[in-house]
Parts: sequence; C-alpha cells; structure tokens
Amino acid sequence: SQKIEQNSEALNIQEGKTATLTCNYTNYSPAYLQWYRQDPGRGPVFLLLIRENEKEKRKERLKVTFDTTLKQSLFHITASQPADSATYLCALARDDKIIFGKGTRLHILP
Amino acid sequence: DARVTQTPRHKVTEMGQEVTMRCQPILGHNTVFWYRQTMMQGLELLAYFRNRAPLDDSGMPKDRFSAEMPDATLATLKIQPSEPRDSAVYFCASGPGTGGKSPLHFGNGTRLTVT
Repeated sequence: SQKIEQNSEALNIQEGKTATLTCNYTNYSPAYLQWYRQDPGRGPVFLLLIRENEKEKRKERLKVTFDTTLKQSLFHITASQPADSATYLCALARDDKIIFGKGTRLHILP
Repeated sequence: DARVTQTPRHKVTEMGQEVTMRCQPILGHNTVFWYRQTMMQGLELLAYFRNRAPLDDSGMPKDRFSAEMPDATLATLKIQPSEPRDSAVYFCASGPGTGGKSPLHFGNGTRLTVT
C-alpha cells in the first residue's frame, strides 16, 4: 500500500540556519507533490507545489526538491525564524486523490 | 479572503449518538475532501468529491460513516452510531482544480470527542 514517511522526531534548528525536512514515499507515483504548514488548532495551509517533471521550486525563503527516482522530496527553509516553528506536511497527488504524510514538527530556537 | 468554514468547531457526544459535521467550501471550488487527523495516524483521507459527485470514499468505515454534498455550498460528514475511536479532528478542504495540481484550502476542523 502507499506509504509516506516524514521525520517522526521533532526537528530543532537554530535561528538563522537552514531547516531541511524530508519526505519519502513508496508504492506511489505522484504527479504532484505539495507542502503544507500546520499550526496548533488550525487546518494545514498550502506552501508550495512541485510537478513530477520539475526538480526544484523556490518561493522566497522556501525551496522544494523532488527526486522521482529516489522517491523523495526535500523541503528547505533558509534563514529560519522562530515564526517558522510549526508542523510541516507533505502531500502526494495523482488524479484527484491527495494523501498526506504525518508531518514533521519544526522548532526554530531563538 | 475566501475560506472554508466548518461547523461545529467542537463536539462532545456519547457513544452511540449520531454526529453530523458540516463544511462550506470556497465558492467556485469543485473538489471537496474530508480528512481525519489523529496523533497516531496523522491526516487520513476519508472521502472526496468532484462537482458534488463522490469519487472515492474507501477511507471511511462504510457501516457508520457517510459523506454527501447536498449542494455546491454544503458538504456533510455523518457518523452513526459514533464510537470512542472516532475521536479526532475532522478537516474539510476544497480546491479549484483537479488532479492535485491546485492547492487545497482547509477549514479549521471539527474536534470530535466521543465518550
């Protein structure tokens, strides 16, 4: 069955450094991969989308890579800030079905 | 700023009772999703619709859960009878496109507690 793996442990990063989150998947060939941010008590909020034929996508301090051979996406936040502390979810999409990983909690330490 | 609206925000009920959760998707969005989130399982896909037609509800326990879209402005998720293991946060999300090429817009969820 389809499986999405994200770092189950929380990630602690010093302010100003680059945070890198990993999303690995098996038994799936997504056409699109999306990243969302979720704050406590709120629904996920969309951040970035990357297509299967794209290697990299950037938006301000965010960068996503997508390697369909390794079945992996990396999500980078450069110059991290305490306000970036949240849970980050990756989502795989093909046809109309969108499934999510469990997310990685990120703490940016001041 | 358009947003997905879910009601109620919180629901506490006793085992065996019927629970109905409602979602108002963003006007113009033609895909609607229901997810359930728990610490153990994360965000699980329960069902999704395109243009009000159900496409897949294989993620739902069929004997007790049902999802419908009576019209384009309302999606409902019903649990009857509810059980303690149904306790979770239920999210509705809508999107403007198909195939996952458009972002989903989530509501803030209904936190369900079944005692």
